[in-house]
Amino acid sequence: DIVMTQSPDSLAVSLGERATINCKSSQSVLYSSKNKNYLAWYQQKPGQPPKLLIYWASTRESGVPDRFSGSGSGTDFTLTISSLQAEDVAVYFCQQYFATPPGTFGQGTRVEIK
Amino acid sequence: EVQLVESGGDLVQPGGSLRLSCTASGFTFHNYAVSWVRQAPGKGLECVSAISGSGGSTYYADSVRGRFTISRDNSKDTVYLQMNSLRAEDTAVYYCAKVSEAATLLSSFDCWGQGTLVTVSS
Repeated sequence: DIVMTQSPDSLAVSLGERATINCKSSQSVLYSSKNKNYLAWYQQKPGQPPKLLIYWASTRESGVPDRFSGSGSGTDFTLTISSLQAEDVAVYFCQQYFATPPGTFGQGTRVEIK
Repeated sequence: EVQLVESGGDLVQPGGSLRLSCTASGFTFHNYAVSWVRQAPGKGLECVSAISGSGGSTYYADSVRGRFTISRDNSKDTVYLQMNSLRAEDTAVYYCAKVSEAATLLSSFDCWGQGTLVTVSS
């Protein structure tokens, strides 16, 4: 099974500053023939289900603010919030959907306001 | 509007059974795979089962294989999760989630239900 490891477990960022979350997979999630990374990012606020932010590692879901961006390839990925807003306080999860459904998630990263 | 609504969560004793339902609306149901994802209190997300749009392919996490059964009734736009031999560690909010892309299980989840709570305790 592919293991997803996020870092850090939590971070505190000032309003308007950049937040960076890392996600590492135990094996590559790049499907070479399609040149696609099978990696998604989700945001989960308290009492709510997760919400899809990014898929194919860097494609923003419709309606997601452009301060959210995803990057990386192969085994190393990053979610960046370019200018943290109060409404971005949440737990963020990465997920691989490359190998044997239904896929696996990272342990989550909690983002708070400093 | 694409929507998923779960039901069936309850308090059940260890060793007991429960059936969860996930009813969909707003999209061509039989074209999309659906998964059940659970979240224990204060913990992360675990995909426990998935089913293809036709129902012909099913997958289970090792933690539930042999105890849980996923199925779907495309005439009712509903996916089910039959849970048997329940254990305390199955206590969680269970979400159903729809894949983003049609005709594949290898996809992100673009729509989630609000979840249903399963508590396994004596």
